[in-house]
Amino acid sequence: DAGITQSPRHKVTETGTPVTLRCHQTENHRYMYWYRQDPGHGLRLIHYSYGVKDTDKGEVSDGYSVSRSKTEDFLLTLESATSSQTSVYFCAISEDKGNQPQHFGDGTRLSIL
Amino acid sequence: AQKVTQAQTEISVVEKEDVTLDCVYETRDTTYYLFWYKQPPSGELVFLIRRNSFDEQNEISGRYSWNFQKSTSSFNFTITASQVVDSAVYFCALSEVSDRDDKIIFGKGTRLHILP
Repeated sequence: DAGITQSPRHKVTETGTPVTLRCHQTENHRYMYWYRQDPGHGLRLIHYSYGVKDTDKGEVSDGYSVSRSKTEDFLLTLESATSSQTSVYFCAISEDKGNQPQHFGDGTRLSIL
Repeated sequence: AQKVTQAQTEISVVEKEDVTLDCVYETRDTTYYLFWYKQPPSGELVFLIRRNSFDEQNEISGRYSWNFQKSTSSFNFTITASQVVDSAVYFCALSEVSDRDDKIIFGKGTRLHILP
């Protein structure tokens, strides 16, 4: 299995608080992605990174920011969490751009009350 | 714009039956990749297969087979002699290979129930 660790695995917090999710990889892959998974919507891309300090927006980036200061770590931040951001968040990595399969972490279940 | 449609939201079959999961895609690129992923009840996402747009040869892996047809923009997935362990949500995905696009677009998934 690809070495991808997401932390925390579960989190409950209140509306308006900041939240940071961490994705750590040991594969030295260039590409890293954050998705959210909601019923009826499948997987939707939030942000992705194609290198250290190189990031770009995905389909549902509003309300989220990311940072990648090291190859192995990709952080997703909700600056002021809202109930609509309650979801399961998945991190993924791939060796190269879209022609390579992505390998996923185990997910973070985030509840915003 | 790229798009992936999995029209079957949910399917239930009895164990040992064959079942086909449909995937239809849209793309303007001539070079692209198609993927299937499995998400069992435990929640993790597992990569199953990748197919590039220049290879229309069907693939078989044990009880799993994939039928790629460019003429109908489809990449269907068949499970032969289904088993309860095949119960999962299955996602089809598409990636256009170009300098401007590093992303994979996922379909909304098909939830497969294999009944004992």
